[in-house]
Order: sequence, then structure tokens, then C-alpha cells
Amino acid sequence: QKEVEQDPGPLSVPEGAIVSLNCTYSNSAFQYFMWYRQYSRKGPELLMYTYSSGNKEDGRFTAQVDKSSKYISLFIRDSQPSDSATYLCAMGSGGSNYKLTFGKGTLLTVNP
Amino acid sequence: DAGITQSPRYKITETGRQVTLMCHQTWSHSYMFWYRQDLGHGLRLIYYSAAADITDKGEVPDGYVVSRSKTENFPLTLESATRSQTSVYFCASSGQLYGYTFGSGTRLTVV
Repeated sequence: QKEVEQDPGPLSVPEGAIVSLNCTYSNSAFQYFMWYRQYSRKGPELLMYTYSSGNKEDGRFTAQVDKSSKYISLFIRDSQPSDSATYLCAMGSGGSNYKLTFGKGTLLTVNP
Repeated sequence: DAGITQSPRYKITETGRQVTLMCHQTWSHSYMFWYRQDLGHGLRLIYYSAAADITDKGEVPDGYVVSRSKTENFPLTLESATRSQTSVYFCASSGQLYGYTFGSGTRLTVV
């Protein structure tokens, strides 16, 4: 079993839809969780991070972590065509270990 | 300009040639990383460095060499390029636990 599993999609939604992106993980040592957004032919950019179970909101984006189920989600409300990108989850164990483990990414297309 | 820059953006090389990909960051971040990104595999860690003169292998280090004589530079060398090393290479740096900053990538084709 891979440490981090992410459905690669592709996911295609109409503009204005609510999007749910998900990752599961198996390593209980993971303590902090991130979502990266990667536009075509660009490097990934940090979108959201959280280090506790529960929800964290930033504008149209909500990151949700359930450590008991080893499950994280990213919700996008009122999705826009500019949200079309690949979304990667990433996790780290903290302490002095800066290494992150990435999911393979989910390709999202928001259609106008 | 502040940030992390990779060069070249695109590179075509022949099998067996040595090629070096450059990475430079201006923040004095301690940690730097090299990843390759391939369809179906996602981001895979090649090498990382915790500080100048400290490097360690990642998930897929074979065929690659790194050095870090200065904090701001972290070059990646393919000693003898193979077609399987055709990929998009990303350099990243981190100065804190909450995430990496990635460069724009180098698209390498080995023919």
C-alpha cells in the first residue's frame, strides 16, 4: 500500500460547482498536510496547509483533515475556469524532517 | 529577483551525455530538493539537502549526482543520460515546515 493515495481523475465540472478532492494515507506519523496547485507547465504552488484535524477555510477553499480516518479533502466552492489545474496533496511528519510525501495529483477542469 | 530559479527551462541531450540542471534560491533556505515528475508517477524525490555540504538520497537517486557547496545553489547532474531520464525536473526549497517553494521546472528530453 502506498503511503499516500490520490485519485488521478480527470475530474471535469461546470463553472460554479462544488469540487471535492481527496487523499488517503497510511502513515500515522504524518502530522501536517498541504494542498498544492499546479497549472500546466508550471511548478506546484502551495495552496493550503493545516496541521490539525478539522477544517481550515481560505476564501473559496476549505481543507479538511480527519486523522482518525487518515483522510484529507480539499473543497472548492463556486469553482471557476481559473481553478483548472492539477491538485496535489502532500504530507509531512514534522520535527526535524522536512521531507514531504506527495500524492500523484488530480487533474481538474472547470468548464465555463 | 527573490525566488527560486531553474535553468535551463528546456534541454535536449543525447544518450550517454552528461548534463547538469541548475537551481538557485535567494532566501537562504536550509533545505533544497530535486524531484522528477512523470505521468502516472507524480513527483518523485531524487535527492535532497539539509544544508551546504549535506545531501541525501531520495526515492529514485540512481544515475544522478548532486552537490551543494553553497546554500543557494543545488545543481543536479545526470552522469550519463538515458532515455528513462526524460522527464520534468523540479527543484524546491524550504525554510520552514509548512511547505516548499518550487521552481518552474526543467523539461529534459534524452534522445
